[in-house]
Amino acid sequence: GAGVSQSPSNKVTEKGKDVELRCDPISGHTALYWYRQRLGQGLEFLIYFQGNSAPDKSGLPSDRFSAERTGESVSTLTIQRTQQEDSAVYLCASSQDRESSYEQYFGPGTRLTVT
Amino acid sequence: GQNIDQPTEMTATEGAIVQINCTYQTSGFNGLFWYQQHAGEAPTFLSYNVLDGLEEKGRFSSFLSRSKGYSYLLLKELQMKDSASYLCAVFNQAGTALIFGKGTTLSVSS
Repeated sequence: GAGVSQSPSNKVTEKGKDVELRCDPISGHTALYWYRQRLGQGLEFLIYFQGNSAPDKSGLPSDRFSAERTGESVSTLTIQRTQQEDSAVYLCASSQDRESSYEQYFGPGTRLTVT
Repeated sequence: GQNIDQPTEMTATEGAIVQINCTYQTSGFNGLFWYQQHAGEAPTFLSYNVLDGLEEKGRFSSFLSRSKGYSYLLLKELQMKDSASYLCAVFNQAGTALIFGKGTTLSVSS
């Protein structure tokens, strides 16, 4: 596709359930980023992938959060045992490579609501 | 660590000029960014400053002073469609991702 896509666009889940959020970056982009945006807050960095490796996962808030990337393409962010404070919009972005990380292209986000 | 401050809200009228300020504190500066985010949409890249001075791109200009830890985004000839949040961001210490401020919500009225 032409841009970064994410699915689902909206997810409502019960507290304690696991969720998987998917990101398809722009074809050929080797760098991929996950961010979280809580209501009324700025974007918080979660994790950065270069290829299939994650050299920086310093933003993951707890061990309930994990992410993987395969084929230097699709990435999945998994949240286990969801809590209400996990409710946020989860945004994925990609850039051509690390050197081009100044220009990140964002997907539309997944709005996660934990009830 | 990093800290970014910008005003929460601003209002302006069509055709006017508005300046959105951003101050930052960071250990190891690798550039400052401005993104635009319309309500319910993804952020889109506006500008990147790594050297001091003014960068102009059409109606939008961005200024950086590294010694003062200060940047501003200048929007000229405001249009209603410029109503959005404007996010100031810097690279994290590792240079791997962006650290964003909370954003400034700009409302443009006729």
